[in-house]
Amino acid sequence: NAGVTQTPKFQVLKTGQSMTLQCAQDMNHNSMYWYRQDPGMGLRLIYYSASEGTTDKGEVPNGYNVSRLNKREFSLRLESAAPSQTSVYFCASRRWGQPYEQYFGPGTRLTVT
Amino acid sequence: AQSVTQLGSHVSVSEGALVLLRCNYSSSVPPYLFWYVQYPNQGLQLLLKYTSAATLVKGINGFEAEFKKSETSFHLTKPSAHMSDAAEYFCAVSDKRGFGNEKLTFGTGTRLTIIP
Repeated sequence: NAGVTQTPKFQVLKTGQSMTLQCAQDMNHNSMYWYRQDPGMGLRLIYYSASEGTTDKGEVPNGYNVSRLNKREFSLRLESAAPSQTSVYFCASRRWGQPYEQYFGPGTRLTVT
Repeated sequence: AQSVTQLGSHVSVSEGALVLLRCNYSSSVPPYLFWYVQYPNQGLQLLLKYTSAATLVKGINGFEAEFKKSETSFHLTKPSAHMSDAAEYFCAVSDKRGFGNEKLTFGTGTRLTIIP
């Protein structure tokens, strides 16, 4: 089991460029999440997908779009990157039912210049 | 809406000393509570969780936490710190809203430093 995988690990973008962060899980989890982590602010939820075919906004969705491609994959797209989107991005997944914990990927460190 | 407050963004303890990391929560429903640990340049991994069973919860690496409803607290403790405990620790609360729709709200984290 690879768990939750994210690509790329690092990325540098110029302002206005676009990119897609990829996330995949092999644990047959139903729900998937995208967070950003900034110093002193903890993790903030960008978007989540409770199940295949559904997506919902989290706390900080502006400037991002997501696609739940299938049960395994959940991608995050920055259409026009801004310096304020410099952050570390984490994908997570969890099983339905009970208070199952979320499992996190290793993160993508994104710098926008 | 729920929220989490972690008191102390940085905590330093000597090796072998007690570790105490504080977490207070706010929730409109009985909460589920979690502690996660993040080692440098890694993702988060679960230390322990409270799910309305026993109020004293034991986790990995010798950590435990006690749920105190009257104090709305879920503090993390370890009797004797080890150098390998140096990491950032996050407390989180679940909104428990529905089947599959649960979301976590995280605190801002506490960086634990161990002094040799």
